[in-house]
Amino acid sequence: DQQVKQNSPSLSVQEGRISILNCDYTNSMFDYFLWYKKYPAEGPTFLISISSIKDKNEDGRFTVFLNKSAKHLSLHIVPSQPGDSAVYFCAASARSGGSNYKLTFGKGTLLTVNP
Amino acid sequence: NAGVTQTPKFRILKIGQSMTLQCTQDMNHNYMYWYRQDPGMGLKLIYYSVGAGITDKGEVPNGYNVSRSTTEDFPLRLELAAPSQTSVYFCASRDLAGSGNTIYFGEGSWLTVV
Repeated sequence: DQQVKQNSPSLSVQEGRISILNCDYTNSMFDYFLWYKKYPAEGPTFLISISSIKDKNEDGRFTVFLNKSAKHLSLHIVPSQPGDSAVYFCAASARSGGSNYKLTFGKGTLLTVNP
Repeated sequence: NAGVTQTPKFRILKIGQSMTLQCTQDMNHNYMYWYRQDPGMGLKLIYYSVGAGITDKGEVPNGYNVSRSTTEDFPLRLELAAPSQTSVYFCASRDLAGSGNTIYFGEGSWLTVV
Protein backbone atom coordinates (compact mmCIF):
# COMPACT_ATOMS: atom_id res chain seq x y z
CA ASP A 1 0.00 0.00 0.00
CA GLN A 2 1.64 3.16 -1.20
CA GLN A 3 1.27 5.96 1.30
CA VAL A 4 2.91 8.59 -0.88
CA LYS A 5 1.90 8.65 -4.52
CA GLN A 6 3.34 10.50 -7.46
CA ASN A 7 1.01 9.49 -10.24
CA SER A 8 2.91 11.14 -13.08
CA PRO A 9 6.08 9.19 -13.92
CA SER A 10 7.25 11.98 -16.19
CA LEU A 11 6.62 15.60 -17.11
CA SER A 12 7.99 17.65 -19.99
CA VAL A 13 7.89 21.46 -20.04
CA GLN A 14 9.40 24.28 -22.06
CA GLU A 15 12.15 26.43 -20.64
CA GLY A 16 10.73 29.52 -18.97
CA ARG A 17 7.35 27.94 -18.31
CA ILE A 18 5.97 26.67 -15.01
CA SER A 19 6.55 23.06 -13.91
CA ILE A 20 3.98 21.59 -11.55
CA LEU A 21 4.75 18.29 -9.87
CA ASN A 22 2.03 16.62 -7.84
CA CYS A 23 2.02 14.32 -4.85
CA ASP A 24 -0.80 12.67 -2.90
CA TYR A 25 -0.64 10.94 0.44
CA THR A 26 -2.97 8.63 2.31
CA ASN A 27 -1.59 8.61 5.86
CA SER A 28 -3.33 11.33 7.86
CA MET A 29 -0.53 11.17 10.45
CA PHE A 30 1.93 12.74 8.00
CA ASP A 31 2.66 16.29 9.06
CA TYR A 32 5.91 17.16 7.34
CA PHE A 33 6.59 16.99 3.64
CA LEU A 34 9.72 17.33 1.58
CA TRP A 35 10.80 17.41 -2.03
CA TYR A 36 14.07 15.90 -3.13
CA LYS A 37 15.75 16.27 -6.49
CA LYS A 38 17.90 13.54 -7.99
CA TYR A 39 20.25 13.67 -10.93
CA PRO A 40 21.43 10.43 -12.58
CA ALA A 41 24.26 8.66 -10.73
CA GLU A 42 23.90 10.98 -7.73
CA GLY A 43 22.13 10.80 -4.40
CA PRO A 44 18.91 12.74 -3.78
CA THR A 45 19.38 16.31 -2.58
CA PHE A 46 16.96 18.23 -0.41
CA LEU A 47 15.01 20.91 -2.24
CA ILE A 48 12.22 22.33 -0.10
CA SER A 49 9.92 21.29 2.71
CA ILE A 50 6.64 22.27 4.32
CA SER A 51 5.07 21.66 7.69
CA SER A 52 1.38 20.85 7.99
CA ILE A 53 0.80 24.09 9.88
CA LYS A 54 1.45 25.96 6.63
CA ASP A 55 -0.15 25.78 3.23
CA LYS A 56 2.66 27.35 1.26
CA ASN A 57 6.43 27.62 1.42
CA GLU A 58 8.55 29.48 -1.09
CA ASP A 59 12.26 29.40 -1.81
CA GLY A 60 13.36 31.29 -4.89
CA ARG A 61 11.92 29.64 -7.99
CA PHE A 62 10.47 26.78 -5.94
CA THR A 63 7.14 26.86 -4.12
CA VAL A 64 5.42 23.99 -2.38
CA PHE A 65 1.68 24.09 -1.75
CA LEU A 66 -0.07 21.85 0.75
CA ASN A 67 -3.78 21.04 0.75
CA LYS A 68 -4.35 19.00 3.89
CA SER A 69 -8.03 18.37 3.33
CA ALA A 70 -7.24 16.82 -0.05
CA LYS A 71 -4.03 15.19 1.20
CA HIS A 72 -2.27 16.74 -1.74
CA LEU A 73 0.86 18.75 -2.25
CA SER A 74 2.48 20.23 -5.29
CA LEU A 75 5.84 21.67 -6.24
CA HIS A 76 5.89 24.65 -8.58
CA ILE A 77 9.05 25.66 -10.41
CA VAL A 78 8.92 29.08 -12.06
CA PRO A 79 10.57 29.73 -14.42
CA SER A 80 11.75 26.25 -15.35
CA GLN A 81 15.34 25.88 -16.50
CA PRO A 82 17.07 23.03 -18.36
CA GLY A 83 19.20 22.42 -15.25
CA ASP A 84 15.99 21.53 -13.40
CA SER A 85 15.73 18.34 -15.46
CA ALA A 86 15.91 15.57 -12.86
CA VAL A 87 13.79 13.09 -10.94
CA TYR A 88 11.78 14.73 -8.17
CA PHE A 89 10.76 12.70 -5.13
CA CYS A 90 8.01 13.66 -2.74
CA ALA A 91 8.54 12.44 0.84
CA ALA A 92 6.52 12.59 4.03
CA SER A 93 6.96 11.91 7.71
CA ALA A 94 4.88 11.84 10.88
CA ARG A 95 6.60 13.74 13.66
CA SER A 96 4.41 12.23 16.35
CA GLY A 97 3.88 8.58 17.20
CA GLY A 98 7.58 7.72 17.25
CA SER A 99 7.97 7.88 13.48
CA ASN A 100 9.79 11.17 13.34
CA TYR A 101 12.91 9.51 12.07
CA LYS A 102 11.43 7.95 8.92
CA LEU A 103 10.67 9.39 5.52
CA THR A 104 8.24 7.66 3.17
CA PHE A 105 9.02 8.36 -0.47
CA GLY A 106 6.94 8.44 -3.61
CA LYS A 107 8.18 6.77 -6.80
CA GLY A 108 9.37 10.00 -8.32
CA THR A 109 8.56 12.14 -11.35
CA LEU A 110 11.09 12.66 -14.13
CA LEU A 111 11.02 16.33 -15.14
CA THR A 112 12.47 17.28 -18.50
CA VAL A 113 12.84 20.97 -19.29
CA ASN A 114 13.35 21.56 -22.99
CA PRO A 115 15.41 24.56 -24.17
CA ASN B 1 32.92 19.22 2.65
CA ALA B 2 32.50 15.42 2.58
CA GLY B 3 29.00 14.95 4.05
CA VAL B 4 27.88 11.34 3.58
CA THR B 5 30.40 9.08 1.85
CA GLN B 6 29.60 5.63 0.50
CA THR B 7 31.92 2.96 -0.87
CA PRO B 8 32.10 1.19 -3.23
CA LYS B 9 30.33 3.13 -5.98
CA PHE B 10 29.85 0.04 -8.15
CA ARG B 11 30.06 -3.67 -7.38
CA ILE B 12 29.15 -6.92 -9.11
CA LEU B 13 28.54 -9.89 -6.83
CA LYS B 14 27.90 -13.53 -7.54
CA ILE B 15 24.89 -15.22 -5.97
CA GLY B 16 25.76 -16.36 -2.45
CA GLN B 17 28.70 -14.02 -1.99
CA SER B 18 28.80 -11.55 0.87
CA MET B 19 29.91 -7.96 1.01
CA THR B 20 29.73 -4.80 3.08
CA LEU B 21 28.68 -1.39 1.83
CA GLN B 22 30.53 1.23 3.81
CA CYS B 23 29.00 4.54 4.90
CA THR B 24 30.53 7.33 6.90
CA GLN B 25 29.36 10.85 7.71
CA ASP B 26 31.35 13.75 9.10
CA MET B 27 28.45 15.93 10.25
CA ASN B 28 28.12 14.33 13.71
CA HIS B 29 24.56 13.32 12.88
CA ASN B 30 22.75 10.99 15.25
CA TYR B 31 20.41 9.36 12.75
CA MET B 32 21.67 7.24 9.89
CA TYR B 33 19.77 5.27 7.28
CA TRP B 34 20.15 2.77 4.48
CA TYR B 35 17.70 2.97 1.58
CA ARG B 36 17.47 1.01 -1.63
CA GLN B 37 15.99 2.23 -4.89
CA ASP B 38 14.80 -0.21 -7.52
CA PRO B 39 14.13 0.97 -11.10
CA GLY B 40 10.97 3.07 -11.32
CA MET B 41 10.42 2.86 -7.60
CA GLY B 42 10.84 5.19 -4.68
CA LEU B 43 13.33 4.72 -1.90
CA LYS B 44 12.65 1.91 0.54
CA LEU B 45 14.11 2.00 4.05
CA ILE B 46 16.25 -1.06 4.87
CA TYR B 47 17.67 -0.24 8.30
CA TYR B 48 18.15 2.84 10.40
CA SER B 49 20.04 3.89 13.51
CA VAL B 50 19.21 6.62 16.01
CA GLY B 51 22.67 6.60 17.56
CA ALA B 52 25.78 4.55 18.20
CA GLY B 53 24.89 1.07 19.40
CA ILE B 54 21.24 1.34 18.34
CA THR B 55 19.83 -0.06 15.10
CA ASP B 56 16.39 -1.10 13.91
CA LYS B 57 14.66 -2.57 10.89
CA GLY B 58 12.97 -0.52 8.22
CA GLU B 59 10.52 -1.65 5.54
CA VAL B 60 12.74 -4.16 3.69
CA PRO B 61 15.39 -5.55 6.10
CA ASN B 62 15.48 -9.18 4.96
CA GLY B 63 18.87 -10.28 3.66
CA TYR B 64 20.74 -7.39 5.30
CA ASN B 65 22.48 -6.60 8.56
CA VAL B 66 23.87 -3.39 10.00
CA SER B 67 25.96 -2.20 12.90
CA ARG B 68 26.62 1.21 14.43
CA SER B 69 29.71 1.11 16.60
CA THR B 70 30.50 4.79 16.11
CA THR B 71 28.50 7.93 15.34
CA GLU B 72 30.29 8.29 12.01
CA ASP B 73 29.97 4.81 10.49
CA PHE B 74 26.98 2.72 9.48
CA PRO B 75 27.99 -0.28 7.33
CA LEU B 76 25.41 -2.45 5.54
CA ARG B 77 26.17 -6.15 5.26
CA LEU B 78 24.80 -8.54 2.65
CA GLU B 79 25.47 -12.09 3.84
CA LEU B 80 24.19 -14.26 0.96
CA ALA B 81 23.68 -12.09 -2.10
CA ALA B 82 20.59 -12.79 -4.18
CA PRO B 83 19.52 -11.35 -7.56
CA SER B 84 16.65 -9.56 -5.78
CA GLN B 85 19.26 -7.43 -4.04
CA THR B 86 20.37 -5.89 -7.31
CA SER B 87 19.62 -2.23 -6.65
CA VAL B 88 21.03 1.18 -5.92
CA TYR B 89 21.79 1.68 -2.25
CA PHE B 90 21.79 5.07 -0.55
CA CYS B 91 23.14 5.84 2.86
CA ALA B 92 21.80 8.95 4.58
CA SER B 93 22.08 10.87 7.80
CA ARG B 94 20.13 13.46 9.73
CA ASP B 95 20.79 15.73 12.68
CA LEU B 96 18.61 15.16 15.69
CA ALA B 97 17.88 18.83 16.16
CA GLY B 98 17.80 21.98 14.11
CA SER B 99 17.42 20.61 10.62
CA GLY B 100 13.95 19.18 11.07
CA ASN B 101 13.35 16.22 8.85
CA THR B 102 15.97 17.01 6.24
CA ILE B 103 17.96 13.89 5.41
CA TYR B 104 21.28 14.13 3.60
CA PHE B 105 22.12 11.36 1.16
CA GLY B 106 25.33 9.84 -0.11
CA GLU B 107 25.94 9.46 -3.83
CA GLY B 108 24.79 5.85 -3.98
CA SER B 109 26.25 2.38 -4.47
CA TRP B 110 25.22 0.42 -7.55
CA LEU B 111 25.09 -3.30 -6.77
CA THR B 112 24.47 -6.07 -9.30
CA VAL B 113 24.05 -9.70 -8.20
CA VAL B 114 24.53 -12.26 -10.99
